Amino acid sequence: EAGVAQSPRYKIIEKRQSVAFWCNPISGHATLYWYQQILGQGPKLLIQFQNNGVVDDSQLPKDRFSAERLKGVDSTLKIQPAKLEDSAVYLCASSPSSDTPHYGYTFGSGTRLTVV
Amino acid sequence: GQQLNQSPQSMFIQEGEDVSMNCTSSSIFNTWLWYKQDPGEGPVLLIALYKAGELTSNGRLTAQFGITRKDSFLNISASIPSDVGIYFCAGQLRGAQKLVFGQGTRLTINP
Repeated sequence: EAGVAQSPRYKIIEKRQSVAFWCNPISGHATLYWYQQILGQGPKLLIQFQNNGVVDDSQLPKDRFSAERLKGVDSTLKIQPAKLEDSAVYLCASSPSSDTPHYGYTFGSGTRLTVV
Repeated sequence: GQQLNQSPQSMFIQEGEDVSMNCTSSSIFNTWLWYKQDPGEGPVLLIALYKAGELTSNGRLTAQFGITRKDSFLNISASIPSDVGIYFCAGQLRGAQKLVFGQGTRLTINP
């Protein structure tokens, strides 16, 4: 079974620029999560999708962050404009169901964003 | 929001030693999970705990769901070099779907 695919692996941008990250979850997984992991901290949930609908985006900075999951498969996370404090690893995860998310809750390797 | 306090933040041990780390919260959790993260990778689930007082093992790893539902412990016995990494606890609140993560414990092993 292929894992959660993320791209790019690394991205360096200047502040105020825009950036987008892509995630392809495990085939058949209904639930998709985007987490932000700042250096030295644990992951923090940004947004959760169930199929193509948003379940929880309470911690997503909506003035600059946006995410979509068209057709309930791939997802993109965008930051526009980026700030220095957005430097972090952005992790995508997927699970078969939102009822018991830890079952088969698989993380991708992440995209490391550096804002300079 | 909910926070998990994980300790210690870092550990430096000799190969073969046992390791203990813990996580506490002011909130009651329905599920406790322990993950390991290697450099450049996402977290990988080690152990999941579902009931207060539950003690679960996975090889040399043993974790416990605290009786108050507000804490959890992870022990690693007879550490080996591949145990190096960052260990995270995570909790799931009753009725919620997202996971709340601790700050992590960085484990370094001297051969």
